[in-house]
Amino acid sequence: EAQVTQNPRYLITVTGKKLTVTCSQNMNHEYMSWYRQDPGLGLRQIYYSMNVEVTDKGDVPEGYKVSRKEKRNFPLILESPSPNQTSLYFCASSFLAATDTQYFGPGTRLTVL
Amino acid sequence: GQSLEQPSEVTAVEGAIVQINCTYQTSGFYGLSWYQQHDGGAPTFLSYNALDGLEETGRFSSFLSRSDSYGYLLLQELQMKDSASYFCAVRSNRDDKIIFGKGTRLHILP
Repeated sequence: EAQVTQNPRYLITVTGKKLTVTCSQNMNHEYMSWYRQDPGLGLRQIYYSMNVEVTDKGDVPEGYKVSRKEKRNFPLILESPSPNQTSLYFCASSFLAATDTQYFGPGTRLTVL
Repeated sequence: GQSLEQPSEVTAVEGAIVQINCTYQTSGFYGLSWYQQHDGGAPTFLSYNALDGLEETGRFSSFLSRSDSYGYLLLQELQMKDSASYFCAVRSNRDDKIIFGKGTRLHILP
């Protein structure tokens, strides 16, 4: 089954404790993104990657890191989480093709205390 | 900067037709996409317009006019299951960033 998986689905942590949210896709997509979704603000792109070893900042990259060592995986790293990073996070992937269709993971609900 | 504007909420009656507009200010993009998101779920792709004009997929249609910086999603024969949030989005042809509108919450009355 074609899918994007994220783990964990729910996470409660404390300020300053490093964490990683994993994202994996099995569709051989080149383009992968991380978004955060906050009430009234829609989806905002944090980082994106056009291919292996290529990553770029989206609109809200501060406080986040990513890596793309393999085509299928695109982990999101919060080195020192803060309460303003409490949010719903989505990973997505797509082919760089005519329709730009993005496939989203199920989401990760993060709470930073 | 780039931005996409959508109404925050729209209300319609079951069985009717509703149009959700998306106006944008952006330097250039590949095409306009639409996504649906139910409460507690992930966004799912609905439609894409690379060129001006109307694209039809079942009960859903989407329209783009680059000259008017405007697009819309048209939902026909509304069903209660269409109650959700709808987002327009573009990928910049300058830096490949993806920008989403803030979403339109569609309420459907029986």
